[in-house]
Amino acid sequence: DAGITQSPRHKVTETGTPVTLRCHQTENHRYMYWYRQDPGHGLRLIHYSYGVKDTDKGEVSDGYSVSRSKTEDFLLTLESATSSQTSVYFCAISPGTGGAGANVLTFGAGSRLTVL
Amino acid sequence: AQTVTQSQPEMSVQEAETVTLSCTYDTSESNYYLFWYKQPPSRQMILVIRQEAYKQQNATENRFSVNFQKAAKSFSLKISDSQLGDTAMYFCAFHPTSYNTDKLIFGTGTRLQVFP
Repeated sequence: DAGITQSPRHKVTETGTPVTLRCHQTENHRYMYWYRQDPGHGLRLIHYSYGVKDTDKGEVSDGYSVSRSKTEDFLLTLESATSSQTSVYFCAISPGTGGAGANVLTFGAGSRLTVL
Repeated sequence: AQTVTQSQPEMSVQEAETVTLSCTYDTSESNYYLFWYKQPPSRQMILVIRQEAYKQQNATENRFSVNFQKAAKSFSLKISDSQLGDTAMYFCAFHPTSYNTDKLIFGTGTRLQVFP
């Protein structure tokens, strides 16, 4: 959908294990984002990227790291997963241009992560 | 801090009726974008409507329209002729133009149930 895919779509893991979620886009969009969705909190920004190797923290970045070595891929890593990181994770992209598509985020289908 | 508030956690409406979802936001900025996103049970985030703050005219998209009151910092979504397929979680979101990238601040969402 809209050239953005997330993998895996579902994952169950144990506390203390590392986890990496992948976001892949075929739109050549400049900006990429990772959000988490939790009941009662809506979507909250974890990290975002404004170019290859250019990333910054969002409002809930503790316990997460990201990397973007190519325009099309944005990885979210939980170095040591905790139960509080059980959530649905969404990747989003946006063009980063001044045209009609500016400021509109396109979302992936989400990845449900359960940390036991 | 810039925040988005959706005060109605749940709402219901009968098919073919009209329903209005509320959203307020807090910002000191003068120019920004406001959005409504829909999340059906499939979990996919879908853009419903977008409003630019410097445009006084309320945005409309088919059965969806907004009531944008800039002075009151209010941005409500009206759904006319409700359909069963409108059943979803609805998120209000805000983007100040001072932000780098197109990252959004989301409200906590309103769950809308459309009954036959």
